[in-house]
Amino acid sequence: NAGVTQTPKFQVLKTGQSMTLQCAQDMNHNSMYWYRQDPGMGLRLIYYSASEGTTDKGEVPNGYNVSRLNKREFSLRLESAAPSQTSVYFCASSRKDNTEAFFGQGTRLTVV
Amino acid sequence: KQEVTQIPAALSVPEGENLVLNCSFTDSAIYNLQWFRQDPGKGLTSLLLIQSSQREQTSGRLNASLDKSSGRSTLYIAASQPGDSATYLCAVRNQGGKLIFGQGTELSVKP
Repeated sequence: NAGVTQTPKFQVLKTGQSMTLQCAQDMNHNSMYWYRQDPGMGLRLIYYSASEGTTDKGEVPNGYNVSRLNKREFSLRLESAAPSQTSVYFCASSRKDNTEAFFGQGTRLTVV
Repeated sequence: KQEVTQIPAALSVPEGENLVLNCSFTDSAIYNLQWFRQDPGKGLTSLLLIQSSQREQTSGRLNASLDKSSGRSTLYIAASQPGDSATYLCAVRNQGGKLIFGQGTELSVKP
């Protein structure tokens, strides 16, 4: 009964390094999301995927790319990390657009 | 552009008190509204989901209402307990499918 699984849980990067945050769900959900959470800013949508093969920008997409590899997996890539990307990243999924969303436990990323 | 606002940003109450958390949104064309709880350093736990055609949902001591025409939702917590201390977030699902969050209300229930 894993739900939404994010890896890694913690990561420290140097400025300019690249990395991919992984997200997988085992609930056969169609929609998947990536958010970042910063103090005082709430959760802000980075990218959204309504179904396999489709992606759409959210509020703060700059500096990120995504891949909806298949129905289960939705990855977030930082090509050249910047200190401003220090944040907690959450992945979420829902069966359809009008159903309940479920969240992973988050990835805490620090860029130095 | 959909904007979601939660008031107050922080709230401290004595144990046993009934309380109301507020959420407002600017675009009434929504699919649904969802309330979440977040404990420090943890992920989000879904509390209640209200579809746009519904007026309220209840789960135990929690009751959430939705007035889509006025762009408002409330989360009512009855007989609050110290274990209710957490940040409460509301999120609206717009008709493009995106889930947009408010900034949350940090609740502290004192024994």
